[in-house]
Amino acid sequence: AQRVTQPEKLLSVFKGAPVELKCNYSYSGSPELFWYVQYSRQRLQLLLRHISRESIKGFTADLNKGETSFHLKKPFAQEEDSAMYYCALRDNTDKLIFGTGTRLQVFP
Amino acid sequence: EPEVTQTPSHQVTQMGQEVILRCVPISNHLYFYWYRQILGQKVEFLVSFYNNEISEKSEIFDDQFSVERPDGSNFTLKIRSTKLEDSAMYFCASSEARSSPPQHFGDGTRLSIL
Repeated sequence: AQRVTQPEKLLSVFKGAPVELKCNYSYSGSPELFWYVQYSRQRLQLLLRHISRESIKGFTADLNKGETSFHLKKPFAQEEDSAMYYCALRDNTDKLIFGTGTRLQVFP
Repeated sequence: EPEVTQTPSHQVTQMGQEVILRCVPISNHLYFYWYRQILGQKVEFLVSFYNNEISEKSEIFDDQFSVERPDGSNFTLKIRSTKLEDSAMYFCASSEARSSPPQHFGDGTRLSIL
């Protein structure tokens, strides 16, 4: 079955600390993975997609097919990074399958 | 930057009543989607729509649900006879082409069924 798992509901760190938001997936085909972010009172926004291999706002994510993971990382968290982060997989029918989300809280 | 817009932002409806949620996708986008998020749960796919047809629908999208693109700009989700369990945040999304992200999301409509 296709599934995206985000094991942490809440991740709290202090400003300047490294952050890793975990995402694991289950998919029989070749997956396309995304990270979406939702800041307070704002819409879901695309943060990263694995095929771009880019860094947005200091965040990176590497697709590890062996571990079926797509963890989101940032070496030094900022207060403005506080938000809900959703990992999502797009299947071959084009729909997005979301994880349950992780709330990142960055304390000053 | 163009945005997907959704109206209303909050809809309160009596159980059994029909409700229509409205979305205006980004103007040059051709693929349209509805997702929903029940409070405390994950965002779930409902339906995708292209070329005036449903491309795919989930098991959630039963006979009580329908989608329509009544004109060149609006994309609507109708729930014919609402149930308590339809209470959720409903998100519309659009994309320029299939398999060409990102899917751009609207702010959502919070639907509360009493």
